[in-house]
Amino acid sequence: AQTVTQSQPEMSVQEAETVTLSCTYDTSENNYYLFWYKQPPSRQMILVIRQEAYKQQNATENRFSVNFQKAAKSFSLKISDSQLGDTAMYFCAFTGGVQGAQKLVFGQGTRLTINP
Amino acid sequence: GAVVSQHPSRVICKSGTSVKIECRSLDFQATTMFWYRQFPKQSLMLMATSNEGSKATYEQGVEKDKFLINHASLTLSTLTVTSAHPEDSSFYICSARDPASTNTGELFFGEGSRLTVL
Repeated sequence: AQTVTQSQPEMSVQEAETVTLSCTYDTSENNYYLFWYKQPPSRQMILVIRQEAYKQQNATENRFSVNFQKAAKSFSLKISDSQLGDTAMYFCAFTGGVQGAQKLVFGQGTRLTINP
Repeated sequence: GAVVSQHPSRVICKSGTSVKIECRSLDFQATTMFWYRQFPKQSLMLMATSNEGSKATYEQGVEKDKFLINHASLTLSTLTVTSAHPEDSSFYICSARDPASTNTGELFFGEGSRLTVL
């Protein structure tokens, strides 16, 4: 069974700083997808960034980028120039199988606070 | 992106009653939907996979008779919490996979439904 582990329950940084959230996973699959989702106080799940395992290049979306280390099964999220609106719960997630058809498994989450 | 809508967003009921939560895919047909449960300050735990036209697949430890799932059409899945008790109080979230996005593995989430059982 696939597992996703986020070892940082809470993190706090000052506005404009850079912060990195950690995530490790365990799987025997070769084809899979990794995600970072954001859950603000509204509780709506918002996709931040996605990485296909077969792609060696790290995904980037504006201020958000990942460091995908497939051999180490590590998938960290870096937020640059952090903003107050980045304050939220962040979940790392995994789905495997052909075209990611399997269920989505979440990590425990990291509560990120951006301080003014 | 694809839109998934949940209703109601909040529901309060008395212990022993049943509550139905609806999950709709608004602009795509979803053959598979997923139901998650989230306790305060915790992660999303998958309850069951809802398959259109067939029985749902429940995760280990989830009571099938307590949490009834029906996926009668390609745009609607319902979760019914039967004979609800205070311990069933939680945040329930549905999600769906858009067939047009199957090569991305992405799931689209509803807004969630907060159930409070008195």
